Amino acid sequence: ETGVTQTPRHLVMGMTNKKSLKCEQHLGHNAMYWYKQSAKKPLELMFVYSLEERVENNSVPSRFSPECPNSSHLFLHLHTLQPEDSALYLCASSGTGQGSSAEAFFGQGTRLTVV
Amino acid sequence: AQKITQTQPGMFVQEKEAVTLDCTYDTSDPSYGLFWYKQPSSGEMIFLIYQGSYDQQNATEGRYSLNFQKARKSANLVISASQLGDSAMYFCAMRERTSYNFNKFYFGSGTKLNVKP
Repeated sequence: ETGVTQTPRHLVMGMTNKKSLKCEQHLGHNAMYWYKQSAKKPLELMFVYSLEERVENNSVPSRFSPECPNSSHLFLHLHTLQPEDSALYLCASSGTGQGSSAEAFFGQGTRLTVV
Repeated sequence: AQKITQTQPGMFVQEKEAVTLDCTYDTSDPSYGLFWYKQPSSGEMIFLIYQGSYDQQNATEGRYSLNFQKARKSANLVISASQLGDSAMYFCAMRERTSYNFNKFYFGSGTKLNVKP
């Protein structure tokens, strides 16, 4: 497998459920990102992990809990979500260089619907 | 201040014609990178083209070219010979280096391009 893979692609969950989104990259990158994309809004950066350490947390509610067990995997644990959390959740990875090779590679996203 | 500004929420272009999507940026990082991504309705973000802040020449990738005007802080995407498959959302993005030695990416609000047959 190559690139960034996200599972599941679609998720419908109730407000009392607990679920997890998974992201996996096989690009040898050491930074991984979670973005939220709501309708008609810019991409919102949620979390950044660099070398498996969380380096950015953009005032995200505690009902979203990230986990990065190693440099290839990133999870987003979800619990007691609200309907306004329905969105496309995108995972990305990047190298730490500064040339063209340090672009952000994205997964296909998880389209989350909270009912 | 917004880091990336895309002022065109939607654009129409006739098939086979060229179209320019606007992007301006704001940064104090001397070593930044600029990107354009395409997002079809499926949701995946597809990398199109990259321009480094020190690059002297405008970047080109097939039918895509980036009109980089550093003094004006603009990085417009030009798509030549538009095709129906080019209909999608287009995002301009900028990469900055942080003090924690990782790259941070900022995205504009996007431009929805519709190619008319």
